[in-house]
Amino acid sequence: KAGVTQTPRYLIKTRGQQVTLSCSPISGHRSVSWYQQTPGQGLQFLFEYFSETQRNKGNFPGRFSGRQFSNSRSEMNVSTLELGDSALYLCASSLVSLGLTTWREKLFFGSGTQLSVL
Amino acid sequence: GESVGLHLPTLSVQEGDNSIINCAYSNSASDYFIWYKQESGKGPQFIIDIRSNMDKRQGQRVTVLLNKTVKHLSLQIAATQPGDSAVYFCAEISLDKLIFGTGTRLQVFP
Repeated sequence: KAGVTQTPRYLIKTRGQQVTLSCSPISGHRSVSWYQQTPGQGLQFLFEYFSETQRNKGNFPGRFSGRQFSNSRSEMNVSTLELGDSALYLCASSLVSLGLTTWREKLFFGSGTQLSVL
Repeated sequence: GESVGLHLPTLSVQEGDNSIINCAYSNSASDYFIWYKQESGKGPQFIIDIRSNMDKRQGQRVTVLLNKTVKHLSLQIAATQPGDSAVYFCAEISLDKLIFGTGTRLQVFP
């Protein structure tokens, strides 16, 4: 079956603009989580959506937001872009929410969207 | 997209040798740990996981060791191959969030 699909693959924006990234999870997966990857900070958790509800959120400003649709596809939005937002944004899908204590499902990552803010 | 690259610790091993990649985790309450492999231009890929009630788990050519006393994880790769060249991350589940380690770049030379 198809893997996690992220679009677009590359994006160039200027400071102050906003951007929307898309993630289509593996068919049947209801959890989508988002991560920011930079050389300085590594991989950091942004938030997770499960059944259209945000389940958990990392330590990012309110400029970072997301949503999930009824078909489990998710979008992430960053408003008022800053130079420091340049990063690889990854999403991952799984069958169940990260919050379940019996969580043993593997996360499946997409290849990411490389965002450059000029 | 490139994986984390500029300031990662690097482990260089000869093809056929065993590799050991180490990771210190942050939260003593974390109860689930995962190792990921990230090749250039790709997202992280699951390798092996371990729960906190275990101290060792083996997969195909890989073994994860967990030392809760010192909050330390290690990933052992047997008979390292060129295809093992990648960045390796450990991750812990803490407060329903995945927290990743900084990563180690593994380079395999012939």
